[in-house]
Amino acid sequence: GNSVTQMEGPVTLSEEAFLTINCTYTATGYPSLFWYVQYPGEGLQLLLKATKADDKGSNKGFEATYRKETTSFHLEKGSVQVSDSAVYFCALSENSGYALNFGKGTSLLVTP
Amino acid sequence: DTAVSQTPKYLVTQMGNDKSIKCEQNLGHDTMYWYKQDSKKFLKIMFSYNNKELIINETVPNRFSPKSPDKAHLNLHINSLELGDSAVYFCASSQGSTGSQETQYFGPGTRLLVL
Repeated sequence: GNSVTQMEGPVTLSEEAFLTINCTYTATGYPSLFWYVQYPGEGLQLLLKATKADDKGSNKGFEATYRKETTSFHLEKGSVQVSDSAVYFCALSENSGYALNFGKGTSLLVTP
Repeated sequence: DTAVSQTPKYLVTQMGNDKSIKCEQNLGHDTMYWYKQDSKKFLKIMFSYNNKELIINETVPNRFSPKSPDKAHLNLHINSLELGDSAVYFCASSQGSTGSQETQYFGPGTRLLVL
């Protein structure tokens, strides 16, 4: 079956540090890949997505590249801000019902 | 305008009670979902509806019954609540016409606490 594995948190960084959150997946077909972000007390919102191999999703300085050969979709940002503190979820979706299959989430805390 | 709304935002109730959570989307989407987020933040799909028809029904106890009166609404009714039902329940919607590529839009969540 499909599954998503992402690095355990919490991750604590100083402002302007480089961020990488690792995500790998297993899937039977050709899934679409997503990063969603959950700010404290809120619902999830899409951060970025990629729908085929070698696509790069990007938004708000974050980016991730769909790597089929390594089944990965690692999230990166060159310089994090305090406002980036949130929980980040890697997810995949295949055609069966379109539901998102989430990783366990990685909590990020950015300190001034 | 809120795209996906849920009511109530907080729900505290006793074991054994029956409760409902309502979800409405004003995006004109055809597909709606319910997800459960446990205390460790893990999110899991419960149900998915497309055009009022059930598409996904994961291994959820039959005490949980989704109801979709129209495309814009997907309510979740829970009978005989148990302690383990305490979680945050998220409703979401997506366009429903372009498959797995679609962005899902989430509601703010309903925090259910069963005492």
